[in-house]
Amino acid sequence: NAGVTQTPKFRVLKTGQSMTLLCAQDMNHEYMYWYRQDPGMGLRLIHYSVGEGTTAKGEVPDGYNVSRLKKQNFLLGLESAAPSQTSVYFCASRPAGGFTDTQYFGPGTRLTVL
Amino acid sequence: GDSVTQMEGPVTLSEEAFLTINCTYTATGYPSLFWYVQYPGEGLQLLLKATKADDKGSNKGFEATYRKETTSFHLEKGSVQVSDSAVYFCALSDRGNTGGFKTIFGAGTRLFVKA
Repeated sequence: NAGVTQTPKFRVLKTGQSMTLLCAQDMNHEYMYWYRQDPGMGLRLIHYSVGEGTTAKGEVPDGYNVSRLKKQNFLLGLESAAPSQTSVYFCASRPAGGFTDTQYFGPGTRLTVL
Repeated sequence: GDSVTQMEGPVTLSEEAFLTINCTYTATGYPSLFWYVQYPGEGLQLLLKATKADDKGSNKGFEATYRKETTSFHLEKGSVQVSDSAVYFCALSDRGNTGGFKTIFGAGTRLFVKA
């Protein structure tokens, strides 16, 4: 049981390049989330999904796209990276059923955009 | 909208000192409240939670009580250890506008414990 895994762990991009971050969970959770963490700002929600094939915008969705083609995977895409997207990205998942449930986080992806 | 405010850090304490990290929230409904901890180089992990007013969450010597009247969920520990050095996030979870449940995080408070 690996929990929540993220690929890659580190990445450096040049402005304008594109990339996809992969999140995978093996806990059969319905809900999945992408956050970014910036100094002094805590975690901010980018996009989330309440089930396979569904996605919704969070607090800071601009410049990102997501897909949830399989229940266990949640992909975060940057079509044209900008220096403002330099951050640490965390994926999380949780079971459905109520807002008392805990979120389970991956180890993070550190992205630098030059 | 919902929000979480927690005390700014960093907080620096000596080993065995008493810890309080303040957290207050605003919410339209009746959220669940959480404290998450992030150790260096790792993702967040749940420390404790409380789901209704007057509930007390506790784990690893940490405690927090859900106070609806003061909209607070302060984190306390009687005697901190060097291994408690980490960033602590207060959070609330409530129903989102488009379905599902969203969690709102505070900015985080970094704790340094000196030996």
